Amino acid sequence: DGGITQSPKYLFRKEGQNVTLSCEQNLNHDAMYWYRQDPGQGLRLIYYSQIVNDFQKGDIAEGYSVSREKKESFPLTVTSAQKNPTAFYLCASNDGGASNEQFFGPGTRLTVL
Amino acid sequence: GQNIDQPTEMTATEGAIVQINCTYQTSGFNGLFWYQQHAGEAPTFLSYNVLDGLEEKGRFSSFLSRSKGYSYLLLKELQMKDSASYLCAVIPRGSTLGRLYFGRGTQLTVWP
Repeated sequence: DGGITQSPKYLFRKEGQNVTLSCEQNLNHDAMYWYRQDPGQGLRLIYYSQIVNDFQKGDIAEGYSVSREKKESFPLTVTSAQKNPTAFYLCASNDGGASNEQFFGPGTRLTVL
Repeated sequence: GQNIDQPTEMTATEGAIVQINCTYQTSGFNGLFWYQQHAGEAPTFLSYNVLDGLEEKGRFSSFLSRSKGYSYLLLKELQMKDSASYLCAVIPRGSTLGRLYFGRGTQLTVWP
C-alpha cells in the first residue's frame, strides 16, 4: 500500500545530542514537508522540499536541518541548537496536483531528557 | 503573515450538531482544508473548499465564504469517536507547491 512512514513512533534523547527523524514515502510525490506540533498548537512548518536536492526553510527552521537526496526520503535532524526540541513531529507529502491535499505520516514523538 | 483563527475548545453531546468556525486573513486565497486529528495521531483529510458554498460529505459538511474570509465545519449526529482536534488550513494564492498554513485547531469533546 502507498503511504508515508515515520519511525520510530517514540524517541528519547539526552539534551545536547543530535537526533535524526526518518520520513519515507512511496506515493511518488515531489513535495515533502516537516511540521512540529506542541500541545494546544497547530502545525508549524519547519522545512519543505519541492524536488530532490532542493529544500526551503519554513517558519521555525532554527535548530533543524534536512536533506533530500532521494525523492522518497526527507529526513529531519534536530540539532543541539534547538532550544526546546520535545514535540510531536509530522512529515507530509503532496503530489502537486489540483487537490493540494497533504498526506501525513503517523508522526514521531520526540522527548529530550 | 497569514492569520487563521478558530476556537480553542468546544463541547457537545452525542447525537447533536456542532459547527466549528474558522476565519482567515491571508495574502490571497487558493483553497481551505479541514483535517481531523485524534490525539497522538496524524491528521486525516476531511474536506477541501475552493469555491463559495456548502459541500456535504456524509455527516460532515464544510462551508466557505471567500468574501468574508470564513469557513465552518458542520458535524451532524455526533458520535463519541468524533472527539478530536479539527484543524483549519489555508493555501494562500501563490503558495509554493501546496504549502498550507494551519490554525491552532479546535479540540472537540463529545459527551454521552
